[in-house]
Amino acid sequence: AQSVSQHNHHVILSEAASLELGCNYSYGGTVNLFWYVQYPGQHLQLLLKYFSGDPLVKGIKGFEAEFIKSKFSFNLRKPSVQWSDTAEYFCAVNARFSGGYNKLIFGAGTRLAVHP
Amino acid sequence: DGGITQSPKYLFRKEGQNVTLSCEQNLNHDAMYWYRQDPGQGLRLIYYSQIVNDFQKGDIAEGYSVSREKKESFPLTVTSAQKNPTAFYLCASSIWSGRDFQADTQYFGPGTRLTVL
Repeated sequence: AQSVSQHNHHVILSEAASLELGCNYSYGGTVNLFWYVQYPGQHLQLLLKYFSGDPLVKGIKGFEAEFIKSKFSFNLRKPSVQWSDTAEYFCAVNARFSGGYNKLIFGAGTRLAVHP
Repeated sequence: DGGITQSPKYLFRKEGQNVTLSCEQNLNHDAMYWYRQDPGQGLRLIYYSQIVNDFQKGDIAEGYSVSREKKESFPLTVTSAQKNPTAFYLCASSIWSGRDFQADTQYFGPGTRLTVL
């Protein structure tokens, strides 16, 4: 069965520290990859996405992610976090099934707390 | 101002009652989705609809029902058969591009938090 694994459930960092959140998926077909973010009290927002081309994708607010096909990974990075990055981060994989139906499979999420 | 709206933001239900959660989008998207979010479990798909008057079960459809009478609306009913309905419910929409797989990014509404008393 297709699945998405986020290895860190909770991450605590100080401001200016570097961030890397791991994401691995299990699906052998063509996939699109996403990172969504949910800030406290706000709705789920798209942070960045990978469809094809350059495996290093840049998103909003200084985030980037690297797709490594051989490792089935799509890790999220930011060189220097801010207090405002405190949120829950979800990795998701979009797989195409028969009938043209897209299924977005989510990881369990990583709660990031950034201390001033 | 385009987007997805969900109402109500908070909903309280007594055991044995059915409740309906509203989801409306003005993005002209063909496809709409309902997810349930529980702490530590990410989001799980309840139902989805690619076109009007058609919908399919997702991974956890038991105890839920939907309708898709209009392109912009996809209400979700949580029935008394749902054993553990307390959760955060998210609606999403996307274009449905058929063979153009890469176009189908999903956009989410603000959610409805349902609590069973």
